[in-house]
Amino acid sequence: AQKVTQAQTEISVVEKEDVTLDCVYETRDTTYYLFWYKQPPSGELVFLIRRNSFDEQNEISGRYSWNFQKSTSSFNFTITASQVVDSAVYFCALRETSGSRLTFGEGTQLTVNP
Amino acid sequence: AAGVIQSPRHLIKEKRETATLKCYPIPRHDTVYWYQQGPGQDPQFLISFYEKMQSDKGSIPDRFSAQQFSDYHSELNMSSLELGDSALYFCASSSTLSDRSTDTQYFGPGTRLTVL
Repeated sequence: AQKVTQAQTEISVVEKEDVTLDCVYETRDTTYYLFWYKQPPSGELVFLIRRNSFDEQNEISGRYSWNFQKSTSSFNFTITASQVVDSAVYFCALRETSGSRLTFGEGTQLTVNP
Repeated sequence: AAGVIQSPRHLIKEKRETATLKCYPIPRHDTVYWYQQGPGQDPQFLISFYEKMQSDKGSIPDRFSAQQFSDYHSELNMSSLELGDSALYFCASSSTLSDRSTDTQYFGPGTRLTVL
């Protein structure tokens, strides 16, 4: 069965600090997809990034970057120069090719203080 | 760009009543998903539809049913509501195009259901 674990329940940083959110997953599929979603206080779920299991190239998109390590089943997400507007709950999610559902981690509450 | 539309945004019901939540996917998206998020919890998958057929089923109570219509909008029907059904209900949509395995799910704003 698929499982996603976000060990960090809450993280608090000061504006302009870099912050990394950890995500570890379990799956028996050889092909799968990993996602990060952001849920601000207003409640909506906003798609941030997606990674395919067969592509381990790490990328940077603006202030966001991610580190996908298949060998350790980790998909960590970094925000550079954090801003107050980054304050939200961040969810890591996994989708196996055998189904259409997303399995979410428990979420990490990020608070960026001015 | 057009997003997923959900209505109503807020709904208050009494125990044992029924509720209907509606979802209008992003134009040209053919797959719809429903998730339930309890307070302080992560979203839990309920059910999904692809081209109007149920494609996957999660932890959806027997009291709930859903369908996708010919215009691709979807409705989640909830009967005999219980206090524990109070949650944020999300609809998401995706476009499979030629490859069903690469679709990204885009979420609507959610319907907050409160059962009193």
